[in-house]
Amino acid sequence: EVQLVESGGGLVQPGRSLKLSCAASGFTFSNYYMAWVRQAPKKGLEWVATISTSGSRTYYPDSVKGRFTISRDNAKSSLYLQMNSLKSEDTATYYCARHSPWEDVMDAWGQGASVTVSS
Amino acid sequence: DVQMTQSLSYLAASPGESVSISCKASKSISNYLAWYQQKPGEAYKLLIYSGSTLQSGTPSRFSGSGSGTDFTLTIRSLEPEDFGLYYCQQYYEKPLTFGSGTKLEIK
Repeated sequence: EVQLVESGGGLVQPGRSLKLSCAASGFTFSNYYMAWVRQAPKKGLEWVATISTSGSRTYYPDSVKGRFTISRDNAKSSLYLQMNSLKSEDTATYYCARHSPWEDVMDAWGQGASVTVSS
Repeated sequence: DVQMTQSLSYLAASPGESVSISCKASKSISNYLAWYQQKPGEAYKLLIYSGSTLQSGTPSRFSGSGSGTDFTLTIRSLEPEDFGLYYCQQYYEKPLTFGSGTKLEIK
């Protein structure tokens, strides 16, 4: 069974940093692109980052580019999201997701980690 | 960026009924459209991709249609477990973007 378990969420002050982790199991992690998707309170979903199988290619929307960094450790089947210079609008539940091998869609999701940016 | 619009934020229906949820793209995205479902306390689930291809495990009462800018998710003969939130997502180009969601509730 595919499992994605996020950790590292919490309350952080504006301008500070936070690093999320995602532990993957039930599939060959190194064979899949992985992603982070977030959902602000009472809002829709927003794609945050994608990383290639080897980690050599990363993709971000403009809203987080230069502040967030996605990375992975295939030996540990783990995905990470380093979030710097956090803003109140980054407050959201952050989901770790697996990309489908054939399409740019997410075919498995974690339960999410809550991040609150507030002073 | 491609804006995805789900015009109905809320929809109420009874078990056994059929419903359709619409999604409109701000420009043509061919058939690069996916549908997701979220139920309370559960992880998001991919239902349909390529506009109309059912993901493995998606019940056949679900169907997707459309191409270009207008898409529809249809659920025939609603089951109690179908009630929840539904989102569309385009993957024609990055940034990947989602609709605002449609909440399907029991009438």
